[in-house]
Amino acid sequence: GAGVSQSPSNKVTEKGKDVELRCDPISGHTALYWYRQRLGQGLEFLIYFQGNSAPDKSGLPSDRFSAERTGESVSTLTIQRTQQEDSAVYLCASSLEGSSGVTYEQYFGPGTRLTVT
Amino acid sequence: GGDVEQSLFLSVREGDSSVINCTYTDSSSTYLYWYKQEPGAGLQLLTYIFSNMDMKQDQRLTVLLNKKDKHLSLRIADTQTGDSAIYFCAESIGRPAGGSYIPTFGRGTSLIVHP
Repeated sequence: GAGVSQSPSNKVTEKGKDVELRCDPISGHTALYWYRQRLGQGLEFLIYFQGNSAPDKSGLPSDRFSAERTGESVSTLTIQRTQQEDSAVYLCASSLEGSSGVTYEQYFGPGTRLTVT
Repeated sequence: GGDVEQSLFLSVREGDSSVINCTYTDSSSTYLYWYKQEPGAGLQLLTYIFSNMDMKQDQRLTVLLNKKDKHLSLRIADTQTGDSAIYFCAESIGRPAGGSYIPTFGRGTSLIVHP
């Protein structure tokens, strides 16, 4: 596709259940980012993937959160034993990245709105 | 990264200029960005400025950077109702070689344009 896609667009789940969110980056983009956007808040960095390097997980809020990415393709963000405070929009972005570490423009997906009841 | 602060709301009349302000704390910021988020959509990069510049103009958009005061502004000339959206300021800092310039975002300013 032409842009970053995310699925599902909306997810309502019961507290304690596990959820899996999916991100399809733009083809050829080596860098992929996950952010969380709570209502009325800025973007909170969660995790970053760059090629085959070890991901930067420094933003993950707890061990209930994990993410995977196979090569330079799809990524999944998994939240185990969801809590009400996990309710937010989860945004994915991808970008090209040069070997010098310079980041190019991030292209964002439309997000997944997660509601934990 | 450091902190990025923005006012939460701005209301203007159609045809007027809008000025959205942002302050940041980290003096080593390398890039400063403005993103636009329309309802139900992801963020779209509007423009960015390198820290060694003090102004950048792109059609109706003018970005001003006061590095001494760590203040960034976005001016939208002849504001239209289609400009109504949330505008995010972000900054990124150089990281060790092989790392990434992961931006730090502000909370966003909701711009409301009245006809």
